[in-house]
This record gives sequence, structure tokens and C-alpha cells, in this order.
Amino acid sequence: DAGVTQSPTHLIKTRGQHVTLRCSPISGHKSVSWYQQVLGQGPQFIFQYYEKEERGRGNFPDRFSARQFPNYSSELNVNALLLGDSALYLCASSLVGSGTEAFFGQGTRLTVV
Amino acid sequence: SQQGEEDPQALSIQEGENATMNCSYKTSINNLQWYRQNSGRGLVHLILIRSNEREKHSGRLRVTLDTSKKSSSLLITASRAADTASYFCATPRPGTGYSTLTFGKGTMLLVSP
Repeated sequence: DAGVTQSPTHLIKTRGQHVTLRCSPISGHKSVSWYQQVLGQGPQFIFQYYEKEERGRGNFPDRFSARQFPNYSSELNVNALLLGDSALYLCASSLVGSGTEAFFGQGTRLTVV
Repeated sequence: SQQGEEDPQALSIQEGENATMNCSYKTSINNLQWYRQNSGRGLVHLILIRSNEREKHSGRLRVTLDTSKKSSSLLITASRAADTASYFCATPRPGTGYSTLTFGKGTMLLVSP
């Protein structure tokens, strides 16, 4: 069975540019969440989508946006990139509801220069 | 903000020894999860313990949960070099009914041959 897949695996962008990261959840999982992990820290929650609706948002600026498609895959978009956006971006999928495990993809390593 | 905090920040042991990591959290929870991360890659789900459970085992892993002290511990018995990784505890984000998580900063475990 395929796990959570993310693309691309690595990305280098210049300050001010825009980036789109993609995530495909485990088959049957309708919830997708995005996390940002900077070096030396734990992952920080950015967004959660369930049934194509935003169900939660972390403390991130409006430069960050996301959406979920009818097949439950998701995109994370970041505009006007800053050096501080350099991080590992992780996508997690899960079944609906609390008390269930979240399964993570391998992440996209974004470097902003 | 961080909900869970792991202790110690780093742990270095020899193969065959046991490794114990602790996690403290701030608010009431209905479950707590432990994850492993190898070299900045994706997180691997290890175990979920519910608030009505005190102890749970999975292979060489033993997790305890003390809701009165708002703390959990992860014990890895007979450690192997392959256990070298960062370990994170995660709790449901307060006020959400969906599977989004708050992570601590993690414990970096080094197991030497």
C-alpha cells in the first residue's frame, strides 16, 4: 500500500518567489494536514483540510495557503518567500476524528536563498 | 507554542542498553502519540496511547501515560544502532476535534555500536 507521498523532495527558491508543494494521502484518508519543521525544532502545524474544507489553521501569515482536491490530495502554497521559510514541509494524512494516528510523508525540503 | 516538551534533549547510549525519554504536556488530552524521525526525513508513527490507558507495549517499545502529572515516557529496550533518530511526542491541538498535533522539540537519541 502506498503511504503519503509528497513532491518535490527538494526545492531551491529565491526570496520573493512563490512555491507549490503537493501531497497525496493514504487511500481512504480524507484528512490532510501540513506542518513546517525548521532545523532543531519539532513540526509546527500550518493547515488541516478535511472534505475539501479548511478545518484548522496554525499561526502562519497569509502568505501561506492551501487547498484540498476532490481526490483528497492537497497543495500548500507559499507566496513572497522569505529566508525564514526554509524548512522541511511535512504532510500528514489521517482518518477523520481525534484519537487516530497521523501518517507522514517524507517531506519537501525547501531552501530559500 | 509547544504543547509537549521532551526530556532529555539528547541521549547517547551503547547498543543493548535501554533508552528512556520523557514528555510533559500542558492541557488535558485524550491521547498522546510518539513519533520517530531519521535524519530530518518524514516522521514514523510509533505508538498511540489513550488517556484511559496507563501503559502500552509495541515490540521493544513501552509507553506510559500519567494524566495526573501530564507526562508520558517512552522506553526502548535493548537499543540498536538503527534506533538512532529523533523522537517526538505529540498531543492533539487544544480545541480541535480533528487529528492535528502539537509536537515537542524532540529527544535526539544516539546509539553507538
